[in-house]
Amino acid sequence: ETGVTQTPRHLVMGMTNKKSLKCEQHLGHNAMYWYKQSAKKPLELMFVYNFKEQTENNSVPSRFSPECPNSSHLFLHLHTLQPEDSALYLCASSPPGETNYGYTFGSGTRLTVV
Amino acid sequence: KNQVEQSPQSLIILEGKNCTLQCNYTVSPFSNLRWYKQDTGRGPVSLTIMTFSENTKSNGRYTATLDADTKQSSLHITASQLSDSASYICVVRTMDSNYQLIWGAGTKLIIKP
Repeated sequence: ETGVTQTPRHLVMGMTNKKSLKCEQHLGHNAMYWYKQSAKKPLELMFVYNFKEQTENNSVPSRFSPECPNSSHLFLHLHTLQPEDSALYLCASSPPGETNYGYTFGSGTRLTVV
Repeated sequence: KNQVEQSPQSLIILEGKNCTLQCNYTVSPFSNLRWYKQDTGRGPVSLTIMTFSENTKSNGRYTATLDADTKQSSLHITASQLSDSASYICVVRTMDSNYQLIWGAGTKLIIKP
């Protein structure tokens, strides 16, 4: 375990479903991130939260809706997704003033949209 | 445009052999360069982080090198083990106001017994 926990590990959902991904860290980190990883492509940054405030939205479609109720928890709410949204969704966290520290990643949620 | 290119895309070697993975980047201004290891079905785990002034950094059997003049980095794995089978991702952080991370697509390494 890395200290960043993601649930569920696997999710299959229809295009009309609504589901949520959860991420939790108790490392004392203040920044949390959502990334999308598609096969053979670089990680794509989706959202960044610093001290619960969203500081970056990387032109993500509105069918993805993040929520950060506190510095330890991050959610990604999903609705009316498309098959091309199938991917590994990774949550990460980093400490205050992070420039020379690595991110700590969770194990990801493997999402399949049918 | 800030980019990170990794080669080869995939590599198969026998257990016990050494290998070197390459990373070329066009990121400017440059803050630091990271190598991550990602096991199948897991998130990436940091191996090394090097700043502009560092040429070499080791983490056990992993040694990363950085040539900031040519904008190249390599990750050398010594005496490979089956557990080294994974994707290895090169990531460069910019030093502009955004401090972005520019991710490479990774090299998939398979160690065969």
